Amino acid sequence: SAVISQKPSRDICQRGTSLTIQCQVDSQVTMMFWYRQQPGQSLTLIATANQGSEATYESGFVIDKFPISRPNLTFSTLTVSNMSPEDSSIYLCSVEKGYNEQFFGPGTRLTVL
Amino acid sequence: KQEVTQIPAALSVPEGENLVLNCSFTDSAIYNLQWFRQDPGKGLTSLLLIQSSQREQTSGRLNASLDKSSGRSTLYIAASQPGDSATYLCAVKDNYGQNFVFGPGTRLSVLP
Repeated sequence: SAVISQKPSRDICQRGTSLTIQCQVDSQVTMMFWYRQQPGQSLTLIATANQGSEATYESGFVIDKFPISRPNLTFSTLTVSNMSPEDSSIYLCSVEKGYNEQFFGPGTRLTVL
Repeated sequence: KQEVTQIPAALSVPEGENLVLNCSFTDSAIYNLQWFRQDPGKGLTSLLLIQSSQREQTSGRLNASLDKSSGRSTLYIAASQPGDSATYLCAVKDNYGQNFVFGPGTRLSVLP
């Protein structure tokens, strides 16, 4: 298994500002994933982050809005830039371990006013 | 493009009942399927992982089955308890890419 922590656990932000979310894993992993879960919805993959290369973004998500860093094999950050109320969501990071089993962090609940 | 659906969307049962949650996927070329539970405002907890070559997995009161040819998986919960109240999500990883596709979830309420 994997133990994943995220910071902050929640935040309330003003429109037009940016927030950086941190994700820390207790062991080295090749890929880390960032998801968004809008209110009442299921999870949507934002991007996949590999160490040493640029993140791969899913359709509808762009690097300028959601820049990602992956400086080593246990850590990643996701920044939500120039926020609007539509960005209010839970943001989750995840990793794969073992037989491609996915494990999730506790999530960051973001509210944009 | 893989699509995952789950029925029912919500379910309310009295404590002690056995229940079945359903997950369907459109493309049978899957690598694995995983069931999660999510408590309100929280992250996801992995419940069971079924590889494409497997038919079922069991953990305690939970049993998940997989029928790739029909594009279906079921999660069976025996002797339900109020602590089982949560949203249950299934996710499918296909053979083409690295990513999981999630279903919309089933919100379960077990009444004491």
